[in-house]
Amino acid sequence: DAKTTQPPSMDCAEGRAANLPCNHSTISGNEYVYWYRQIHSQGPQYIIHGLKNNETNEMASLIITEDRKSSTLILPHATLRDTAVYYCIVRVESTPQGAQKLVFGQGTRLTINP
Amino acid sequence: KAGVTQTPRYLIKTRGQQVTLSCSPISGHRSVSWYQQTPGQGLQFLFEYFSETQRNKGNFPGRFSGRQFSNSRSEMNVSTLELGDSALYLCASSWGPTGRETQYFGPGTRLLVL
Repeated sequence: DAKTTQPPSMDCAEGRAANLPCNHSTISGNEYVYWYRQIHSQGPQYIIHGLKNNETNEMASLIITEDRKSSTLILPHATLRDTAVYYCIVRVESTPQGAQKLVFGQGTRLTINP
Repeated sequence: KAGVTQTPRYLIKTRGQQVTLSCSPISGHRSVSWYQQTPGQGLQFLFEYFSETQRNKGNFPGRFSGRQFSNSRSEMNVSTLELGDSALYLCASSWGPTGRETQYFGPGTRLLVL
């Protein structure tokens, strides 16, 4: 029941900006968009999240469209260490108490080329 | 601040046995979630604990169970192991009171069932 759609793979040259798209057309008004990445067989690493405004931190920028139906994760200067599977996730509140679970899709396998 | 720790990191069991995995959350975090990752099904939510109570549960059989201790450490148990239980088991912690806080993942326990 993943609520996001991502391209299965992307390539980017080292030093260039990597732009990873994500569609979440059924997102609800109070659902956040989260991005994690997973480097081969390690635990997923939190990158960034947002609700409706664009967000930036030391790792990346998150651009969310005004209608909130899609977003783009931007890695401004990609390095070889950014090669990973990137997951765009809509946090689903599945209980009346508001408890959260993360519903992962298949993600985008980003390869940074030298 | 130390991250989420999981023990053991690797485990080999045979069918029919049971296994217990342990997770220590980030200091101050009170919520622990468990996920299973397999090549075929991807990352799937198992359950979440907050203040020693199961707050959220995924669609897994009753062979999968968990608990949380007063110090927020959590264990998950799988009884009567099947070959299909071979997976990377991931634990994630968050501060937790609203159920909407960011989750941070540990390195995982890789379980192989023979």
